[in-house]
Order: sequence, then C-alpha cells, then structure tokens
Amino acid sequence: DARVTQTPRHKVTEMGQEVTMRCQPILGHNTVFWYRQTMMQGLELLAYFRNRAPLDDSGMPKDRFSAEMPDATLATLKIQPSEPRDSAVYFCASGLDGLWRGTSTDTQYFGPGTRLTVL
Amino acid sequence: AQKITQTQPGMFVQEKEAVTLDCTYDTSDQSYGLFWYKQPSSGEMIFLIYQGSYDEQNATEGRYSLNFQKARKSANLVISASQLGDSAMYFCAMREAVILAGGGNKLTFGTGTQLKVEL
Repeated sequence: DARVTQTPRHKVTEMGQEVTMRCQPILGHNTVFWYRQTMMQGLELLAYFRNRAPLDDSGMPKDRFSAEMPDATLATLKIQPSEPRDSAVYFCASGLDGLWRGTSTDTQYFGPGTRLTVL
Repeated sequence: AQKITQTQPGMFVQEKEAVTLDCTYDTSDQSYGLFWYKQPSSGEMIFLIYQGSYDEQNATEGRYSLNFQKARKSANLVISASQLGDSAMYFCAMREAVILAGGGNKLTFGTGTQLKVEL
C-alpha cells in the first residue's frame, strides 16, 4: 500500500529555532506539494515541485521558509527562524505528473502531516 | 469570491442513515476536477472520490457517491449507510486545468464540514 510518509509527526520547538520537515512521496509520483493547515486559514498551498523543480512557492513566506527536493524520494521544508505563528499542521502530498488529464490520476495523496508547535 | 464553498460547518446523522455534504464551486474553466477528502480526528487527509468536469456519470466509490450538477456548479458528497467511523471533517477541493508555469496542479480547498455520526 503506497503512502506518502512524513517525519517528524510532531515537533515542539522554541521561537528562533530551525525546523526541518521531511517527506517521502509515493514511488513514481513526480509532483510534490507542501500545504499548511491552520484553524484560521484552512489549507494553504505553500509550494510545489514537479520533477524536483520548484514550480510555485508563492504561498511561502520567503524570508524564513525554504523548500527543496534533494532527490526524487525526499522533499524538505525548512523554517529558520521559527515563530509562534508558524504553529500549524504541515502536509506533504504527491501526485502523478503535473499535467491535467481530467481523470482520477490528477489526485493528490497526502501524508499524515507534521504537527508543529513553536513556543 | 470563494472558489469552493461548503456552507455546512457541522452536520449530524444517525448511524445507518444517508447524509449529503454540500459543495459548490466557482470557475470559468471548462476543464476541472473535483475531489473529496476525509480528515478524521487523527489528522490525516484521506482521498475519497473524484469527479471530472467531463464525466457524464456521477462518481461512486463504495458508500460514497458524488452528486454532480454541472449547471449549478455543485458537487455534493453522499455517504450512504453512515457508520461511526465516518465521523470526521470532510473537505471538497477543486483543481482547474489552468496551465501555470510548468503546468498547473493546485488544489483549492473549501473550509470543510464536520460530520458527526450518532448511534
């Protein structure tokens, strides 16, 4: 049963510390997405990659957030320095291709999320 | 304007009854896909069902079906024979076939409906 995996599942840190979240997409998927979920804003797209290249990171605060895909099996999201307002659940999702096909292959599959608390 | 509107913040249903969760969407694109995800209290986002804008028949997946009314721009989720395990937050999402830089694959989510199944 192929799944997106994320580590850590929970992270508590103090303001100013660096936070790194990792994601392993489903094998064979070449698009990776980072979403953030908060009570106030709901689900927001932070960044997405296709074939490891960043295509859209307009939803990401540029001064403190960075996203990378060192290889096809690993995506990372870093926050440096972290702030209390970054407290949220961060989801990684993966999908097949970046082209719209009009079929269920357009589906994005989500990981379990990383619950981040910044004190 | 909201692209995805879920007007029911919370719903209650008796076990074994059917329930409909509402979703309306706004797009000028002719090509798009509609998705429903389930988020139980454990936090993961589980893909349930997909409907393409050109699909002539309503999508079904087990106890889930999608009542797709294109002219009204609605994509309501119907859960038949509700079970206690169906208690969760349900999100409607849309992907438009807009070709952004490199290919569009962004999902836009609604605010969700919290479903509670009662004995």
